[in-house]
Amino acid sequence: AAGVIQSPRHLIKEKRETATLKCYPIPRHDTVYWYQQGPGQDPQFLISFYEKMQSDKGSIPDRFSAQQFSDYHSELNMSSLELGDSALYFCASSWALTGLNTGELFFGEGSRLTVL
Amino acid sequence: RKEVEQDPGPFNVPEGATVAFNCTYSNSASQSFFWYRQDCRKEPKLLMSVYSSGNEDGRFTAQLNRASQYISLLIRDSKLSDSATYLCVVNGTLEGSGNTGKLIFGQGTTLQVKP
Repeated sequence: AAGVIQSPRHLIKEKRETATLKCYPIPRHDTVYWYQQGPGQDPQFLISFYEKMQSDKGSIPDRFSAQQFSDYHSELNMSSLELGDSALYFCASSWALTGLNTGELFFGEGSRLTVL
Repeated sequence: RKEVEQDPGPFNVPEGATVAFNCTYSNSASQSFFWYRQDCRKEPKLLMSVYSSGNEDGRFTAQLNRASQYISLLIRDSKLSDSATYLCVVNGTLEGSGNTGKLIFGQGTTLQVKP
C-alpha cells in the first residue's frame, strides 16, 4: 500500500540558505502534519493543514512557512537556516474523520536536514 | 513543564522480562491517548490506543487514569524485537474545540531487550 512520501530524504545546507521539503500524503488523506525531531528529542508539532487550509500551528519559527496544494501534497519552506534547524522533519497524514478518532497518523520516513 | 512527560530510560531488560513505562500529561482536557513506537532513525508508528477501561493487545497492555492524568504501557515476555523507543502521545486539544488531530509526543522511553 502507498505510504507517505517525503523528499528529499537527506539535505545538506549552509547557514542562511533556504530549503524546501515536500510531502505526498497517502491517497485520499486530506490532512497533513509537519513535525520536527532534533537529535535525542521527541517530535515537535510544527503545523498542520486540512483541505488545503492551515488547521493548527505549533512551534514553527517565523522563518518557516508551509502550504498544502490542490493535490493535497504539502511543502515546508525554511529560510535563513540556522544550525539549530538540523533535524529530522516528519510529515504525517490522516483522513480527518479517522485521524481524529483513532489518533493514527501515518508518518513518512522523514527528511534529514543538516545545516553546516 | 512539558505537556507529556516520560522517563527517558534507557530500560535494559533481559528477554522474557516484564517492563512498564509510565507517562503523565498536563492538559486535563485531553481526550485521546496513544502509544507510538519509534525505531532508531525511523518514523513513529502507532502501537496502540489507550482506552479508559484499559486495553490489551497480545503482550502489550495500556492503562489510563484520567484522575491522575497518567498513562502506562506494560510489555510482558519481552522480545529482542521490542527494543525501540516508546512514545507516549496525547491528542492535542484546543479548549472547547475537542480533538484537533495534532499529536503531542512525550520524549520517549528507550527499551533495550538483551539476550
